[in-house]
This record gives sequence, structure tokens and C-alpha cells, in this order.
Amino acid sequence: AQSVTQLDSHVSVSEGTPVLLRCNYSSSYSPSLFWYVQHPNKGLQLLLKYTSAATLVKGINGFEAEFKKSETSFHLTKPSAHMSDAAEYFCVVTRFSGGYNKLIFGAGTRLAVHP
Amino acid sequence: NAGVTQTPKFQVLKTGQSMTLQCAQDMNHNSMYWYRQDPGMGLRLIYYSASEGTTDKGEVPNGYNVSRLNKREFSLRLESAAPSQTSVYFCASRDLLSSGVNEQFFGPGTRLTVL
Repeated sequence: AQSVTQLDSHVSVSEGTPVLLRCNYSSSYSPSLFWYVQHPNKGLQLLLKYTSAATLVKGINGFEAEFKKSETSFHLTKPSAHMSDAAEYFCVVTRFSGGYNKLIFGAGTRLAVHP
Repeated sequence: NAGVTQTPKFQVLKTGQSMTLQCAQDMNHNSMYWYRQDPGMGLRLIYYSASEGTTDKGEVPNGYNVSRLNKREFSLRLESAAPSQTSVYFCASRDLLSSGVNEQFFGPGTRLTVL
């Protein structure tokens, strides 16, 4: 069965320093993976998605993620954090069930950015 | 385009009361979904509708019913609210293409408190 584990529930960085949000997945077939961001009291917005094309995926707002099959990881990175990046981030894997693709969410990582 | 809209944004109910959460999308998407979000658990699928006229149970369907009124609208009903249903509810939609994997687009959420 497909599942996803976000290794850190909270990450705190200083503005201008790199961001690393870790995600490991479990999938019995080649997965599709997503990162979504949720700002306080807002809905979810897609940051980026991996669908078996390039293993390094670039998203919005300077974020990128690298799919590593050997490590079953899909970590999210950004070279330099901005205050506006403070939000909750969800790693998501698809599961094919009942003839349809469904999204399986990780528990989320809350990113705090300090001045 | 408004995308995915949800009403109401906030609601407080007493145990045993009923209510319907409304969701509409203007992107001509085939599939629609209802999730609940609880702290530390990511989003969990309650019900989904792969296409107009069909609905199926997700991970946590107990205590809920849904109606796919037409292609645009997908409502979630709580017949007899319980405190365990206190949560943030998100509606999402997706364009079901014959190939590829498409992300889901989320509404802003409904914050429900059951006393």
C-alpha cells in the first residue's frame, strides 16, 4: 500500500538560510508525488509534482524536490528561506484504488522562519 | 475563475444537529473530493465522486453522506453531528484525463466546531 512519512513535524530556520523538509514514501509501483503548501487559515496550494519525468522537479516560489528511488525519498528544498515561506507543507503520494488515483497525505511539516 | 469555493467558512453546531457543507467548482473538473484535516494527521479522504452521478467512500466516511448534485457541485452532510467531527473540511476537484496524473485543486476550507 502507498504511504508517506514526513520526518519532521516542525522545522525552524532563519531568513536567508536553506530549507530542507524531508519526506519518505512507500509505494508498490512507480509513484506520483506532490508537495502542497498551506498558509495559515488558507486552503492547500500545489508547490510541485513528480510524475516520472525528470527526477529534479522545480516548483513555485523557488522550491524544488528530488525524487530518489533508491532512498524512497522526495525531500523539498529551497536555497534561501523567506519570511513568507512560513506555512505547513504536505508531502503527498498517489494511490490507485478502485480504478482511480487518490491522494495520500503525510502528517505535515510546519515551517517557521525567523528574522 | 473562482476555482473551488466552499460555504460556510465557519460553523458551530451542537451535538445532534445536522448541516450540509457546500462545494462548487468552475473548472469543469470531473472528480471532486471531501477531506477532513485534523492536527498531526494530514488530510483524510471522507468521500469522493469520480464523475457526475457517482460517489464512493474514502478512508473515514462514517457519520457523513454526500451528494453530487451536478458536475459543479458536491455537498457533504452531517446528519447528527458529534464532537469527533470537529475539524477543518476541504473540498477539492481534479480533471480526470485519460493519461497522466493531475493534481487536485482545493477550496479554502470550512472550520466546523461541534459542541
